[in-house]
Amino acid sequence: AQSVTQPDIHITVSEGASLELRCNYSYGATPYLFWYVQSPGQGLQLLLKYFSGDTLVQGIKGFEAEFKRSQSSFNLRKPSVHWSDAAEYFCAVGYNQGGKLIFGQGTELSVKP
Amino acid sequence: EPEVTQTPSHQVTQMGQEVILRCVPISNHLYFYWYRQILGQKVEFLVSFYNNEISEKSEIFDDQFSVERPDGSNFTLKIRSTKLEDSAMYFCASRLAGGKNIQYFGAGTRLSVL
Repeated sequence: AQSVTQPDIHITVSEGASLELRCNYSYGATPYLFWYVQSPGQGLQLLLKYFSGDTLVQGIKGFEAEFKRSQSSFNLRKPSVHWSDAAEYFCAVGYNQGGKLIFGQGTELSVKP
Repeated sequence: EPEVTQTPSHQVTQMGQEVILRCVPISNHLYFYWYRQILGQKVEFLVSFYNNEISEKSEIFDDQFSVERPDGSNFTLKIRSTKLEDSAMYFCASRLAGGKNIQYFGAGTRLSVL
């Protein structure tokens, strides 16, 4: 069965430090991969997506993610975290023809001053 | 920027009551979805809707749930007789036809069943 795992429930980093949020997926075909962010009181905002081609994808707010097929991973990175990045981050997998997204548990990011 | 709008932001109801959660998808989108997130758990797919019919539904989406697009702009989720375990955040999403399954989400409705 398809599944998405985000091993870290909660991460705390210092402002200005680098960030990596982990995501692993189990999927039978080439997946479409997404990262969403949810700030308090807000909806799920799309950060970035991978469909095919270059395995390093750039998103909004300075985030990037790398697709590694051999590791079934799609980790999210940011070189320098800002206090406004504190939020919950969700990794998701989808079908190429549409249909449901399968989400990970989410990783809550806290940023220390 | 166009966005998906959900109302109300918070709904409190008594167990056994019917609730209707409302969503206004992005205007040129043709696929619509409902997801829910029980506190502390994953975001789970409930149902997808296209061309005025359900295209896929999960095991959660039983006879107590229904969806409707009553007019050209709204997309609703009805729970006929709410249970305590229906308490969750409900998200609506929409996307264009064709394309790459990029779904845009609303801010959610928090449903509290007492």
